[in-house]
Amino acid sequence: EAGVAQSPRYKIIEKRQSVAFWCNPISGHATLYWYQQILGQGPKLLIQFQNNGVVDDSQLPKDRFSAERLKGVDSTLKIQPAKLEDSAVYLCASSLGSFHPNSYEQYFGPGTRLTVT
Amino acid sequence: DAKTTQPPSMDCAEGRAANLPCNHSTISGNEYVYWYRQIHSQGPQYIIHGLKNNETNEMASLIITEDRKSSTLILPHATLRDTAVYYCIVSLGGGADGLTFGKGTHLIIQP
Repeated sequence: EAGVAQSPRYKIIEKRQSVAFWCNPISGHATLYWYQQILGQGPKLLIQFQNNGVVDDSQLPKDRFSAERLKGVDSTLKIQPAKLEDSAVYLCASSLGSFHPNSYEQYFGPGTRLTVT
Repeated sequence: DAKTTQPPSMDCAEGRAANLPCNHSTISGNEYVYWYRQIHSQGPQYIIHGLKNNETNEMASLIITEDRKSSTLILPHATLRDTAVYYCIVSLGGGADGLTFGKGTHLIIQP
């Protein structure tokens, strides 16, 4: 079974530029998550999708971050404009979803390491 | 904020059992205890979860105290590949809700 795919793996941009990250979840997984992990800290949830609808985006800085999951499969996370404090690893995860009786595990991708200079 | 407290780091000799403690004194009756680990430069990986009873799988054992205010993750025969940051997480439904990670415990397996 293929895992969660993310691209790019690394990205370096200057502050005030824009950047986009892509995630392809495990086939059949209804729920998709984006987490931000700053160096030395645990991951922090940014946004959660159930199919193509947003379940929780309470911690997403909406003035600069946006995310979409068109057609309920792939997802894109965008930052515009980037700030120095956005330097972090952006992790995508997926799970079977709340309507599946055996859903208890989140599967994480390898992450995208963003450096803002 | 995370509802769990873990020691920032621990050492364990290779081949010995690694016992990782976690305090979750404010856990609600319907919240599960989940454990994930994150090996350097990888995404977190699910290990095990439990509600009240002790649980065991091919990776580890989870011991939850009777009052559910603390738990211990046990890696029975630690290997160098078990060196990672281990996160204890309290959640209503780990496969349906976003997870709130703390800083975890950095477990270092010594040869």
